[in-house]
Amino acid sequence: EPEVTQTPSHQVTQMGQEVILRCVPISNHLYFYWYRQILGQKVEFLVSFYNNEISEKSEIFDDQFSVERPDGSNFTLKIRSTKLEDSAMYFCASSATGSGEQFFGPGTRLTVL
Amino acid sequence: GESVGLHLPTLSVQEGDNSIINCAYSNSASDYFIWYKQESGKGPQFIIDIRSNMDKRQGQRVTVLLNKTVKHLSLQIAATQPGDSAVYFCAERPTNQAGTALIFGKGTTLSVSS
Repeated sequence: EPEVTQTPSHQVTQMGQEVILRCVPISNHLYFYWYRQILGQKVEFLVSFYNNEISEKSEIFDDQFSVERPDGSNFTLKIRSTKLEDSAMYFCASSATGSGEQFFGPGTRLTVL
Repeated sequence: GESVGLHLPTLSVQEGDNSIINCAYSNSASDYFIWYKQESGKGPQFIIDIRSNMDKRQGQRVTVLLNKTVKHLSLQIAATQPGDSAVYFCAERPTNQAGTALIFGKGTTLSVSS
């Protein structure tokens, strides 16, 4: 069964450093998403991406964040200068049509020290 | 505002019982709803979805009910098993525009004892 994969599973970084979280969406999907979940809290939407551009972004997704699809398979989330409050689980998701089910990856746990 | 919430943060049931997890949503424009299951350390896993033109949908051991009049969504799990223990989130899509955000509720932790 096809699935969304994410690397690394855990990333530890120092405050102010740049991090890149990587995702490989399901191969025939066209819509890609990033969500985050602070420990013990609900899942929060960050950004959606379609046709090589951002479709929608939340207030969380400020100028420190960027997304890219550098090739035909990867989808990345970059945080330019990490803050302590960026510590969370980051989930990538993809969907085939944009109007249906979003399939989530296993997440990357980001710890900012 | 846009918010999705669950009535109870925790639910404890005995193995074999039926479980009902409830969710209230606030956006009348939402056209699509999903229930996700999240086990510890894992990403949300799709359980079942329903569109706003339906009021009931059944899957394997699960049923989702949608009451648009009172903006209420519920997940029924039949013959609950220990493997059903997890956090359950409802999510809504507040617009009918493709590729847009899912808004998640706070989650209900289901504990199943044998």
